Amino acid sequence: DADVTQTPRNRITKTGKRIMLECSQTKGHDRMYWYRQDPGLGLRLIYYSFDVKDINKGEISDGYSVSRQAQAKFSLSLESAIPNQTALYFCATARAGSGGTDTQYFGPGTRLTVL
Amino acid sequence: GESVGLHLPTLSVQEGDNSIINCAYSNSASDYFIWYKQESGKGPQFIIDIRSNMDKRQGQRVTVLLNKTVKHLSLQIAATQPGDSAVYFCAENSGGSNYKLTFGKGTLLTVNP
Repeated sequence: DADVTQTPRNRITKTGKRIMLECSQTKGHDRMYWYRQDPGLGLRLIYYSFDVKDINKGEISDGYSVSRQAQAKFSLSLESAIPNQTALYFCATARAGSGGTDTQYFGPGTRLTVL
Repeated sequence: GESVGLHLPTLSVQEGDNSIINCAYSNSASDYFIWYKQESGKGPQFIIDIRSNMDKRQGQRVTVLLNKTVKHLSLQIAATQPGDSAVYFCAENSGGSNYKLTFGKGTLLTVNP
């Protein structure tokens, strides 16, 4: 979805380096999410944010941190990258609605390789 | 524990046939389900959703069926086209108002011309 953009699209880095992945959205959504995708494991939630002052850990937050700089921006950082963090990373957004029935819209993904 | 799984990891069909992709879930409290399509090199794309108070919902060429008795979700694609070739994921909202999605591992649909 062109309304959700991620940079960079591809990144190769070395073990121990600090990496930041960025996500921007023009959908005006309050909620933003970071997932990683690994073959055979599907999408797993790393962190999510329901507004600028709200940050929550997902199921696999260890080794990651996030920053919600503005409603439209949500960054994911790997403080010290390790090879098993090699994966596809997706950002997603959703509007805040009632009943929890809000579709998440995904960005194009960032392919990260840690050597 | 919570889980969302798929019965078939791969599905191959002929162009023009109907496709059925299945998904099982274990959390009876889940109240919202989504099917996503992911083409190679792209992010998941929303196809159709259904709330737990519904059994069936139709879109353009797609139908989602929800059977809460056996905790089963299916996606039916009518007149499958080569452009339908992708990985299809089901996802459930198991977080209630916190809206956290749990994703299945995906089914690869291949459409043969």
